[in-house]
Amino acid sequence: QKEVEQDPGPLSVPEGAIVSLNCTYSNSAFQYFMWYRQYSRKGPELLMYTYSSGNKEDGRFTAQVDKSSKYISLFIRDSQPSDSATYLCAMSVAAGRRALTFGSGTRLQVQP
Amino acid sequence: SAVISQKPSRDICQRGTSLTIQCQVDSQVTMMFWYRQQPGQSLTLIATANQGSEATYESGFVIDKFPISRPNLTFSTLTVSNMSPEDSSIYLCSVQRLGRNTEAFFGQGTRLTVV
Repeated sequence: QKEVEQDPGPLSVPEGAIVSLNCTYSNSAFQYFMWYRQYSRKGPELLMYTYSSGNKEDGRFTAQVDKSSKYISLFIRDSQPSDSATYLCAMSVAAGRRALTFGSGTRLQVQP
Repeated sequence: SAVISQKPSRDICQRGTSLTIQCQVDSQVTMMFWYRQQPGQSLTLIATANQGSEATYESGFVIDKFPISRPNLTFSTLTVSNMSPEDSSIYLCSVQRLGRNTEAFFGQGTRLTVV
């Protein structure tokens, strides 16, 4: 079983739709949760960063963390064709090794 | 954020040869990481490179195959040695800033094809 599970998609939605992307994880020691966006032939770009449980909003993006369920989500409102990319969730423990553990990524396609 | 310059951006190499990938950061960082991203897959950590000490390798990765240098707080190299087609992948360096323990930034990656 992988430490972080993420549906690979692809997920295709019409422009303007609300997109929900999710990850589940098994390691209860994870404290920091991130979402990265990766365009084709580019490195991952940090979108959202949250610590522990709760919600965080930044423009059209909302990140949610539910540590009791070991479940995190990224919502994209009013999706745009420019949002078409692969979205990777990533996690890290609070202490010790600080490298990130990534999900496999969900490929999103927003249709104009 | 951090500006990370990684090169080469891509290369096609013959099997049995070696390639050294460079990662240059615009400011001092405590920790640098090297990841591999195989086609359609997520990122897998190869090793952690710390300035002034040996790199720490993850399970499945060894120093003889992936030697790493970290001569200062802004630069690191990863060498892929004695390459085989199975090494074809995207290699990414990642940094975390001094005082920011977890937020990571990535270079654009090196797309390696071994023929």
